[in-house]
Amino acid sequence: AQTVTQSQPEMSVQEAETVTLSCTYDTSESDYYLFWYKQPPSRQMILVIRQEAYKQQNATENRFSVNFQKAAKSFSLKISDSQLGDAAMYFCAYRSQEGAGSYQLTFGKGTKLSVIP
Amino acid sequence: DTGVSQDPRHKITKRGQNVTFRCDPISEHNRLYWYRQTLGQGPEFLTYFQNEAQLEKSRLLSDRFSAERPKGSFSTLEIQRTEQGDSAMYLCASSSGYNQPQHFGDGTRLSIL
Repeated sequence: AQTVTQSQPEMSVQEAETVTLSCTYDTSESDYYLFWYKQPPSRQMILVIRQEAYKQQNATENRFSVNFQKAAKSFSLKISDSQLGDAAMYFCAYRSQEGAGSYQLTFGKGTKLSVIP
Repeated sequence: DTGVSQDPRHKITKRGQNVTFRCDPISEHNRLYWYRQTLGQGPEFLTYFQNEAQLEKSRLLSDRFSAERPKGSFSTLEIQRTEQGDSAMYLCASSSGYNQPQHFGDGTRLSIL
């Protein structure tokens, strides 16, 4: 079974600064998907960014980018120019390639990000 | 696109009672997922539907839990004989394909007295 570990329960960042959230995972599969989800307080979980394991290029979505290190099974999220609206719980998640037998997302425990004005 | 809708938002019940939650996915999303999230944890997968077929169930889904998706539209999750440990946020998500993002609802928070 796959596991996802987020070793930083809480992080804080000054507004306009850059912060990196860590995630490691364990799998024996060679093809899979990795995701970062954001869950603001009392609000819906939304997808921030995703990475296909077969792609060597790191995914980027505006101020959000990832550092995907497949051999190290590491998938960190970098948030640049942090904004107050970035304050939320951030979850790293893993999903097997289609046809591997499971459809579920496996989530880490999350990192609570605070943005300091 | 009105988003994934879950009802009720909050359910308070006594231990031993039965509860049922409803999820309305984004229209034309044929894939629907249920997750459970307890305080301080990430969501844990419960079950998955593709159209009306329930294709995967987690070991977390004990005999007291049952989920349905008649006609491949909305879905219900029922918990029978609720226990203290069932207190959690129950999240529903839907997607239009395996490689498409899962869109989550606001969740139903269950509190067991």
